[in-house]
Amino acid sequence: NAGVMQNPRHLVRRRGQEARLRCSPMKGHSHVYWYRQLPEEGLKFMVYLQKENIIDESGMPKERFSAEFPKEGPSILRIQQVVRGDSAAYFCASSRQGNTIYFGEGSWLTVV
Amino acid sequence: AQSVTQLDSQVPVFEEAPVELRCNYSSSVSVYLFWYVQYPNQGLQLLLKYLSGSTLVKGINGFEAEFNKSQTSFHLRKPSVHISDTAEYFCAVSILKAAGNKLTFGGGTRVLVKP
Repeated sequence: NAGVMQNPRHLVRRRGQEARLRCSPMKGHSHVYWYRQLPEEGLKFMVYLQKENIIDESGMPKERFSAEFPKEGPSILRIQQVVRGDSAAYFCASSRQGNTIYFGEGSWLTVV
Repeated sequence: AQSVTQLDSQVPVFEEAPVELRCNYSSSVSVYLFWYVQYPNQGLQLLLKYLSGSTLVKGINGFEAEFNKSQTSFHLRKPSVHISDTAEYFCAVSILKAAGNKLTFGGGTRVLVKP
């Protein structure tokens, strides 16, 4: 997982603020995935993107959450008007088409 | 839809003893199978994967897993654990031929290696 870069590693937000999490995939990878890990739980799929396209967002909450993967630059997971229940670790992963996915180190969001 | 069940949420084990972590899955189509390890406050590292071929898969750090199609299981084993193996272990599946490589994870098994 050495090549998937996430920032920030730790983020503290007050309720009602916005959180932006960034992910740069491994070199040569055009597929990006976001997963969420709530405390004491396993990882849950949120969204799968390719460059400029959302392919599968079946795991995204219907409100306040959005994701993008622009032609240039990192993928961004955006959470608007954060609530305490959004506190979690958010992991980005990347892959080439049909290959093993590799995870980043994660971004830990704490909502106070 | 797929599901993954890790039967043990916690496994305490003494150093140099063997360990087995159980994983069962449910799917109506063929799947790929994976084991990941997560050290405290870190991301997930791939231990091993089964895509096809030999049902016994060897991974990093001395771990191995055996795919059993009839029992829909993919149990992870290590013959002799070290203190450094203390971590959380996740079993995961993805669907063959699906767009992308979306993983479905089990709930995790926390391994605590005692001296």
